[in-house]
Amino acid sequence: DAGVIQSPRHEVTEMGQEVTLRCKPISGHNSLFWYRQTMMRGLELLIYFNNNVPIDDSGMPEDRFSAKMPNASFSTLKIQPSEPRDSAVYFCASSQYNTGELFFGEGSRLTVL
Amino acid sequence: GQQLNQSPQSMFIQEGEDVSMNCTSSSIFNTWLWYKQDPGEGPVLLIALYKAGELTSNGRLTAQFGITRKDSFLNISASIPSDVGIYFCAGLTGGSYIPTFGRGTSLIVHP
Repeated sequence: DAGVIQSPRHEVTEMGQEVTLRCKPISGHNSLFWYRQTMMRGLELLIYFNNNVPIDDSGMPEDRFSAKMPNASFSTLKIQPSEPRDSAVYFCASSQYNTGELFFGEGSRLTVL
Repeated sequence: GQQLNQSPQSMFIQEGEDVSMNCTSSSIFNTWLWYKQDPGEGPVLLIALYKAGELTSNGRLTAQFGITRKDSFLNISASIPSDVGIYFCAGLTGGSYIPTFGRGTSLIVHP
């Protein structure tokens, strides 16, 4: 079975540019999570969706960050405009509702110059 | 919010040695999860624990759900080079399906 699929795996961009990260969750999973991982802060939960509806976006750093889930098989995390401090690995994870057992993608490593 | 204290922060061991790491909290959890993150990859679930006192094994890995429900332990026996990675604990409180993650234990195994 296919796991959580993220793209791109690596992105290098310049400050001020728009960045879009993509995620395809595991089929049949109801919940989707976006995490950011840095050495300083570890794994931070940015936002999560249940049945395509955003439930809690309190972890989103600021208005430059936005996330959408137009259907059960696709989600995006957008940063506009990007800044060097956004450099991190961004993970998407999915789970079946109420299990709490997350399945992570391989991550998107973002470098903002 | 809840916080998980994971220790040690890092470990440098020789191949063949046993490894112990733990996770503690001031809050009570109903579920404990242990993940491993290989370099350049996403975390992968190793073991899930659902009951206080539960002891569960997965190959050379053994995890325990502490009796107080405020801690959990992970042991790796006879370590091998491919055990290298970051091990995360995560806890779930009653009624929540959003795990709280620890900061991780980085394990390096010298051949």
